[in-house]
Amino acid sequence: AQKVTQAQTEISVVEKEDVTLDCVYETRDTTYYLFWYKQPPSGELVFLIRRNSFDEQNEISGRYSWNFQKSTSSFNFTITASQVVDSAVYFCALSEGNTGANSKLTFGKGITLSVRP
Amino acid sequence: SQTIHQWPATLVQPVGSPLSLECTVEGTSNPNLYWYRQAAGRGLQLLFYSVGIGQISSEVPQNLSASRPQDRQFILSSKKLLLSDSGFYLCAWVDDTSGYTFGSGTRLTVV
Repeated sequence: AQKVTQAQTEISVVEKEDVTLDCVYETRDTTYYLFWYKQPPSGELVFLIRRNSFDEQNEISGRYSWNFQKSTSSFNFTITASQVVDSAVYFCALSEGNTGANSKLTFGKGITLSVRP
Repeated sequence: SQTIHQWPATLVQPVGSPLSLECTVEGTSNPNLYWYRQAAGRGLQLLFYSVGIGQISSEVPQNLSASRPQDRQFILSSKKLLLSDSGFYLCAWVDDTSGYTFGSGTRLTVV
């Protein structure tokens, strides 16, 4: 069975600090997808990134970067120069197989990030 | 463009009352639709998914049911709500570009 572990529950940083959110996953499939979502106080889930299991290249998008390492089954998310608007709950998620009929997402429990001015 | 609508945004219901939450999608046909629940302080749990009209798969045994009467409509229901049904309910559909797109959610409080 697939599992996603976000060991950090709450992180508090001061604005402009860098922060890394950890995600460790378990799956028996060789084909899978990993996701990160942001949930601001309003509640909606905002898609941040999707990465398939065959693409280990790290990705950078503005202040966001992701480090995918199959050897350690980790998909960590780093926010550089954090801002108050980054305050939210961040979820890591995993789906096995192709994104199709049976692509159920398994979520971690989320990390509450608070960025103080 | 594809959009997903979910209502109501908030709901307060007494224990034992019925429930009906509706989700509709636009701009796509034959989508795979999902209902997730987020209990307070916890992650999201898949409740139901549907690959087509009348086709419902349940992930966890519970007090809830789901139906898909039309291609782009997905309904979450209960005949008698329990206190433990309180939570944040999210509808979602899958596309090939970004995977999941979630609705804005319904915050249900059972009192």
